[in-house]
Amino acid sequence: DVVMTQSPLSLPVTLGQPASISCRSSQSLEHRDGNTYLIWFHQRPGQSPRRLIYKVSNRDSGVPDRFSGSGSGTDFTLQISRVEADDVGVYYCMQGTHWVTFGGGTKVEIK
Amino acid sequence: EVQLVESGGGLVQPGGSLRLSCAASGFTFSGFYMTWVRQSPGKGLEWVANINQDGSEEYYADSVKGRFTISRDNAKNSLYLQMNSLRAEDTALYYCARGGTMDLCFGEGGQGTLVTVSA
Repeated sequence: DVVMTQSPLSLPVTLGQPASISCRSSQSLEHRDGNTYLIWFHQRPGQSPRRLIYKVSNRDSGVPDRFSGSGSGTDFTLQISRVEADDVGVYYCMQGTHWVTFGGGTKVEIK
Repeated sequence: EVQLVESGGGLVQPGGSLRLSCAASGFTFSGFYMTWVRQSPGKGLEWVANINQDGSEEYYADSVKGRFTISRDNAKNSLYLQMNSLRAEDTALYYCARGGTMDLCFGEGGQGTLVTVSA
């Protein structure tokens, strides 16, 4: 199975400041069709996860442009340009190239 | 918007059975793979099973293979998960999601359905 490793586990951030979450996979996520199926989700307490980014860098409809995804191969990053209070919660990466596995999550909280 | 509402969870003894349901709306249900994902208390997310558009192909995580069965009723826009021979380690919040492996997304408003396996 492909192992997805996120860091950090916990990320205290200051409102208005940038934040960055790393996700590394145990093997390349480039599919034979040329796409890379790496998704980012955000989960608030008591809610189902919400998809933010698909195929590495494509924002879902309604997702603010302060969220951006980047990376290739085995190394991926979710960046928040200016953190807002509504951004707290747990962020998960997920790969869909070699079946499905999720990262362990990164908890974002306000300092 | 994609709406997925799960139901059917509850407290069950080890070895028991439960059937989960997911009511879908806001999209053409018959046009998508559908998936069950679970989240153990305080833990991360785990893919459980998925099913193709017409229900002819099913795939399962090794941890549930032979015990769980995924199915769907496109006429009712509904997804199901029959869970047999339940174990303590199956205790989790179960979510349904639209899509297969490459395009998974969860619905708005769904809060999952809690399955607790305990004597």
